[in-house]
Amino acid sequence: AQKITQTQPGMFVQEKEAVTLDCTYDTSDPSYGLFWYKQPSSGEMIFLIYQGSYDQQNATEGRYSLNFQKARKSANLVISASQLGDSAMYFCAMREGGYQKVTFGTGTKLQVIP
Amino acid sequence: EPEVTQTPSHQVTQMGQEVILRCVPISNHLYFYWYRQILGQKVEFLVSFYNNEISEKSEIFDDQFSVERPDGSNFTLKIRSTKLEDSAMYFCASGPLTGVDTEAFFGQGTRLTVV
Repeated sequence: AQKITQTQPGMFVQEKEAVTLDCTYDTSDPSYGLFWYKQPSSGEMIFLIYQGSYDQQNATEGRYSLNFQKARKSANLVISASQLGDSAMYFCAMREGGYQKVTFGTGTKLQVIP
Repeated sequence: EPEVTQTPSHQVTQMGQEVILRCVPISNHLYFYWYRQILGQKVEFLVSFYNNEISEKSEIFDDQFSVERPDGSNFTLKIRSTKLEDSAMYFCASGPLTGVDTEAFFGQGTRLTVV
């Protein structure tokens, strides 16, 4: 089974609108962390936001928020007020307790339309 | 802001040759990682390195690969006898600690092309 599933290979959003990028995960470990990374066309990986399995509140970082629904094992990224510079690949990722590796999903390519 | 630096940004090599990809992690970090991303595919974990030894590796990281921290600042990935399918973007990452709540800081990547 896939550890991280991102079902939207591509998304379009109008500039200034909000967009939700979906992510579901699979783990039996009670301790885990969920991450979102942005990869622009230049190729680098940029850390956006983190959510811990024991966190009671949804994480927020500026225009990014994480809609964490633990029972559904989903960790969707919400980008508010989209900007042209948000056009990029977005990867959801997870680190399980006791492991050092981070497992990535297949990514969602977001395109912001003026 | 401190960052992970990778060199070169792009390397072209002949099939069968050995390549060394270089990384300078963030200076006070203790954990070092290599990941790869085949074009258009997801990012895959290769290896983690702590206290001068491999602490975790994936099934991809076979005898063709090795890592080294030759001095106090560099972290290298050596790929012996390269194959066409080794063509990918290779990311180095580092982290101050390990744990579920610690993000890895990634370098800008080295694009390896095997011809």
